[in-house]
Amino acid sequence: KQEVTQIPAALSVPEGENLVLNCSFTDSAIYNLQWFRQDPGKGLTSLLLIQSSQREQTSGRLNASLDKSSGRSTLYIAASQPGDSATYLCAVNSGGYQKVTFGTGTKLQVIP
Amino acid sequence: NAGVTQTPKFQVLKTGQSMTLQCAQDMNHEYMSWYRQDPGMGLRLIHYSVGAGITDQGEVPNGYNVSRSTTEDFPLRLLSAAPSQTSVYFCASSYSRDRGDYGYTFGSGTRLTVV
Repeated sequence: KQEVTQIPAALSVPEGENLVLNCSFTDSAIYNLQWFRQDPGKGLTSLLLIQSSQREQTSGRLNASLDKSSGRSTLYIAASQPGDSATYLCAVNSGGYQKVTFGTGTKLQVIP
Repeated sequence: NAGVTQTPKFQVLKTGQSMTLQCAQDMNHEYMSWYRQDPGMGLRLIHYSVGAGITDQGEVPNGYNVSRSTTEDFPLRLLSAAPSQTSVYFCASSYSRDRGDYGYTFGSGTRLTVV
């Protein structure tokens, strides 16, 4: 059974700092990995998706990397802003809609 | 606005009561699903549907029923509420884009407390 872990559970950084969020998974046989953002009282919004054949994906100030062999993905946020404060979750697709496993999330606070 | 609409946003139930959480989407998505989110557990799949008339169990289906009579609606029924079902419930709709990329759209959630 795929297990997805995100450490730390919470992170607080000053505005302007570059930061890295981590996602680890136990089974490297994956289709893709997706990063989501969740704002308080809201649902999840997709940020980036990396296919298993890719090493990284970029969208604006966000860069996600994937190392399947080590079971790790990172989400890099450049020049953090208070508006980036949210919970970030990763989700690993191990083969089909019902085999998407979500991580526990990292709650990010960017302090002005 | 196009999206996923969940109702109610908050609900308190007594143990043993039943209720239905409503979910509707207007994007003609083929897939719909229900998740629960508990502290330290991430989102866990309860039930899902790949089209009208087709449903299947996810990781944690016990105590819940679903049906999908139309493409738009996917209600989740709690048969006899238990305190262990206290959670935040999310409905999502999605479609298969390419190579396992499901374009998820999530509802804003229902916070359920069972006392």
